[in-house]
Amino acid sequence: EDQVTQSPEALRLQEGESSSLNCSYTVSGLRGLFWYRQDPGKGPEFLFTLYSAGEEKEKERLKATLTKKESFLHITAPKPEDSATYLCAVPRGSQGNLIFGKGTKLSVKP
Amino acid sequence: SQTIHQWPATLVQPVGSPLSLECTVEGTSNPNLYWYRQAAGRGLQLLFYSVGIGQISSEVPQNLSASRPQDRQFILSSKKLLLSDSGFYLCAYSKADIINEKLFFGSGTQLSVL
Repeated sequence: EDQVTQSPEALRLQEGESSSLNCSYTVSGLRGLFWYRQDPGKGPEFLFTLYSAGEEKEKERLKATLTKKESFLHITAPKPEDSATYLCAVPRGSQGNLIFGKGTKLSVKP
Repeated sequence: SQTIHQWPATLVQPVGSPLSLECTVEGTSNPNLYWYRQAAGRGLQLLFYSVGIGQISSEVPQNLSASRPQDRQFILSSKKLLLSDSGFYLCAYSKADIINEKLFFGSGTQLSVL
């Protein structure tokens, strides 16, 4: 069964304290891995898509990397506005359905 | 540019009452459309998806149904709500002509069934 597991469930950082979020997956034939950011009471906002092991993508203080079994979202020198829940997802089936992990809730304190 | 509209933003309904949530997409034709539900501690769960008008696939058996009366309109319904239907409902779309394309989400509806 295809699964996506994210860790930790919650992460509290001080402003400027870099860290990483983990997303491990078990799917037959990875066809992409997606990272989203979700603010409270809002829909997820797309961040990155990674397709192959070794691929990296960056956006401001965020960098996503992919291996054959997991993906990391590295946050460098985070700011309070980076506080959100970060979700990762992988496609299942041929219709574009995404299986989501439960997310990591990130809190960055000033 | 493409946009997705979802309403209402919040809804409080009594048990046994009907439900209708609507979602519309602008700026793209023949999108794939999705309804997800997000319950506390459970993550996003796919409820329904549609690849065309009148074509609905259900992921899990439940008290809900979906319809796609027009190309860019997706409706989530229930005849009689249950307490367990409470949650955050999200509509999403993807571009059908791109394989494994990312999903774009609406702003969500927070449904409380009391």
